[in-house]
Amino acid sequence: AQTVTQSQPEMSVQEAETVTLSCTYDTSENNYYLFWYKQPPSRQMILVIRQEAYKQQNATENRFSVNFQKAAKSFSLKISDSQLGDTAMYFCAFMGQTGANNLFFGTGTRLTVIP
Amino acid sequence: NAGVMQNPRHLVRRRGQEARLRCSPMKGHSHVYWYRQLPEEGLKFMVYLQKENIIDESGMPKERFSAEFPKEGPSILRIQQVVRGDSAAYFCASSQSREDTQYFGPGTRLTVL
Repeated sequence: AQTVTQSQPEMSVQEAETVTLSCTYDTSENNYYLFWYKQPPSRQMILVIRQEAYKQQNATENRFSVNFQKAAKSFSLKISDSQLGDTAMYFCAFMGQTGANNLFFGTGTRLTVIP
Repeated sequence: NAGVMQNPRHLVRRRGQEARLRCSPMKGHSHVYWYRQLPEEGLKFMVYLQKENIIDESGMPKERFSAEFPKEGPSILRIQQVVRGDSAAYFCASSQSREDTQYFGPGTRLTVL
């Protein structure tokens, strides 16, 4: 079974600083997809970034980047120049290329950006 | 291009009543997924559908819950004889294909009194 672990229930960061959120996962598949979703107080689930396991290059989206370590099964999210609007729950998610037809989510990290 | 639409956004039901949750996928998306989020938890998969077909319902409770995605119209998640434990946020997501990114709707918050 696929499992996704986020070991940091809560984190905080000063505005304009950089923060890294951790995520590890367990799978026997070789090809898969990894995601970070953001859930602000509005409760909407918003895609932050996507990574394909076959790509060695780490994905980036503006201030958001990932550190994907396939051998270690680690997928951390780095947020640079943190903004107040980044305050939200962040969920790491996994989907295998074969097998189960759904996303597996971690329990989330609540990030607070302090002005 | 409108995103994933869900309605109602909030739904209150008394124990024993039925709840119907609707989801219209993004234009061009034929794959729909339903997830449930209990308070302070991550999302848990319930069911995966394509037009007129249930592909995977391994996360759906065996009783009282059903889902459909007809040829015309939105996908429907139906909960019969609701109980207090059904209170949760129910999210719908859609994608162009199984491997494509899933985009989420705003969710329906179900409260059972």
